[in-house]
Amino acid sequence: AQKITQTQPGMFVQEKEAVTLDCTYDTSDQSYGLFWYKQPSSGEMIFLIYQGSYDEQNATEGRYSLNFQKARKSANLVISASQLGDSAMYFCAMREGRRSQGNLIFGKGTKLSVKP
Amino acid sequence: GAVVSQHPSRVICKSGTSVKIECRSLDFQATTMFWYRQFPKQSLMLMATSNEGSKATYEQGVEKDKFLINHASLTLSTLTVTSAHPEDSSFYICSASYRETIQETQYFGPGTRLLVL
Repeated sequence: AQKITQTQPGMFVQEKEAVTLDCTYDTSDQSYGLFWYKQPSSGEMIFLIYQGSYDEQNATEGRYSLNFQKARKSANLVISASQLGDSAMYFCAMREGRRSQGNLIFGKGTKLSVKP
Repeated sequence: GAVVSQHPSRVICKSGTSVKIECRSLDFQATTMFWYRQFPKQSLMLMATSNEGSKATYEQGVEKDKFLINHASLTLSTLTVTSAHPEDSSFYICSASYRETIQETQYFGPGTRLLVL
């Protein structure tokens, strides 16, 4: 079974509008971390936002916010006021367990295209 | 944020040759580094976990004799693709974790595109 599921292979959004990228996860650990990364065509992985399993509040970083619904095991990324530069692949990832230096498990990604 | 560099960014080599890729954490000490591989239009797949001063831990299906990993210092890990073949052509990307971190963030290098002819 997939640990991280991103059901949207591709998404389109109009510039200046908000968009939600879906991510669900599967783990039996009580302690885990959830991440979102952006990968433009250049290939670099850009860290966007992090949510710890014990964090009670949804994480926010500028235009990025994470809609964390623990009971549903979902960690959707919300990008507000989309910009043309937001066009990229977006990956949801999870690290299981308490080890802060554990590896990340990635979803298959969602390709976001921002239309002018 | 923290900076991780990779060298080279792009390499083309002949089949049968070996290629070394370096991953450096520039402004922090990384006790653990990770090596991922990404095929076109696919996700990142973990190859191995590299710990400073000890042998790397490889994921199932990754040949340790083909993908040699050395983590000689707290700021440098190297991946050597030995006797490269065309099927090894891929995007190789490393990441590093802080020794002690609050946010538990992993920072990625810019990646290395390997093309084996």
